[in-house]
Amino acid sequence: QKEVEQDPGPLSVPEGAIVSLNCTYSNSAFQYFMWYRQYSRKGPELLMYTYSSGNKEDGRFTAQVDKSSKYISLFIRDSQPSDSATYLCAMRDDYKLSFGAGTTVTVRA
Amino acid sequence: EAGVVQSPRYKIIEKKQPVAFWCNPISGHNTLYWYRQNLGQGPELLIRYENEEAVDDSQLPKDRFSAERLKGVDSTLKIQPAELGDSAVYLCASSHRDSGNTIYFGEGSWLTVV
Repeated sequence: QKEVEQDPGPLSVPEGAIVSLNCTYSNSAFQYFMWYRQYSRKGPELLMYTYSSGNKEDGRFTAQVDKSSKYISLFIRDSQPSDSATYLCAMRDDYKLSFGAGTTVTVRA
Repeated sequence: EAGVVQSPRYKIIEKKQPVAFWCNPISGHNTLYWYRQNLGQGPELLIRYENEEAVDDSQLPKDRFSAERLKGVDSTLKIQPAELGDSAVYLCASSHRDSGNTIYFGEGSWLTVV
């Protein structure tokens, strides 16, 4: 079993919809939680980073962490066609950063 | 400020041939990473450098992969000989010692072994 499991997708939503992306993890040592966005043929780009349980907002993006359930989520409000990309969750302990497999999102105009 | 620069962006080689990838990290970033990303998967760490020292190379297949980071700046990742299963994207990334959770990735070197 992988340390980080991500909902596989793909997801296709109409413009303006809320996108919900989820990951679960098994390693209790993970302390830092990130979401990366990866456009086709590009490297991953850090979107959000959080440390504690709870919610963190940045514009249209909200990251949610529930350490007791070992579950993290990313919500994208008012989705735009430019949000079409693969979203990767990532988690870090003292030693390494572990990624989920990614969820590909398409926002239809 | 320039980001992480990688070259070549794309490479097609025949199996058993050697290949090398080059990375120039963001200026001032002491930590450099090489990741491999297979199609439909997340990146997996191959090696991590702190300055010129490789501090984590546990996932580097040392029989055919090698890496170096001379003078603690640029880095080269080499595969010799390449196998079909090495087809993947090789991502270089860097971070500053004071913000290790903010890791910046390059655009990747896309390798196809035929």
